[in-house]
Amino acid sequence: AQSVTQLGSHVSVSEGALVLLRCNYSSSVPPYLFWYVQYPNQGLQLLLKYTSAATLVKGINGFEAEFKKSETSFHLTKPSAHMSDAAEYFCAVRRSGNTPLVFGKGTRLSVIA
Amino acid sequence: GAGVSQTPSNKVTEKGKYVELRCDPISGHTALYWYRQSLGQGPEFLIYFQGTGAADDSGLPNDRFFAVRPEGSVSTLKIQRTERGDSAVYLCASSLGGENTIYFGEGSWLTVV
Repeated sequence: AQSVTQLGSHVSVSEGALVLLRCNYSSSVPPYLFWYVQYPNQGLQLLLKYTSAATLVKGINGFEAEFKKSETSFHLTKPSAHMSDAAEYFCAVRRSGNTPLVFGKGTRLSVIA
Repeated sequence: GAGVSQTPSNKVTEKGKYVELRCDPISGHTALYWYRQSLGQGPEFLIYFQGTGAADDSGLPNDRFFAVRPEGSVSTLKIQRTERGDSAVYLCASSLGGENTIYFGEGSWLTVV
């Protein structure tokens, strides 16, 4: 079965600092991988996705993630955190285009002024 | 509307009552998903429709939960004999199918008292 593990339920960074949110996947076949963001009282918004094209994926709001098969990882990064980045971030995997997303438990990002 | 619409946005019901939650997907989207998100957890898959039929209902927790999509557009999630443990945010999502992006609604907050 497909699954993802997000390391750290809460990450706190200073404004302007590097953001690194960790995600490791478990998959028997090359997966599709996603990062979604959820702002308070809002739905999930897609940040970026990996679908076996380029291993470095650029998303919205300056975020990017790198697919590393050898490490079974898909960590999310942003060079400089903004206050507006404070939200819950979810890593997700799906086996193919016609299967549902399987989400991790999420990482809450706090940005300190 | 342009996005996935869910009603009601909030519902408080008494234990043992019957509840219906409605999802209006993005126009033209053939795939529709229901997820449940408990406090502090990631979204948990419930059921996936392709058109009018349930392609995968393996996430429904028990026979108190049922979902329909009779005309391949609007879907209703039905919960019978609600229990306090059913309290959660119920998220609906839709897509054009295949590898296309899955878009989420803002959710229906269900509280069972």
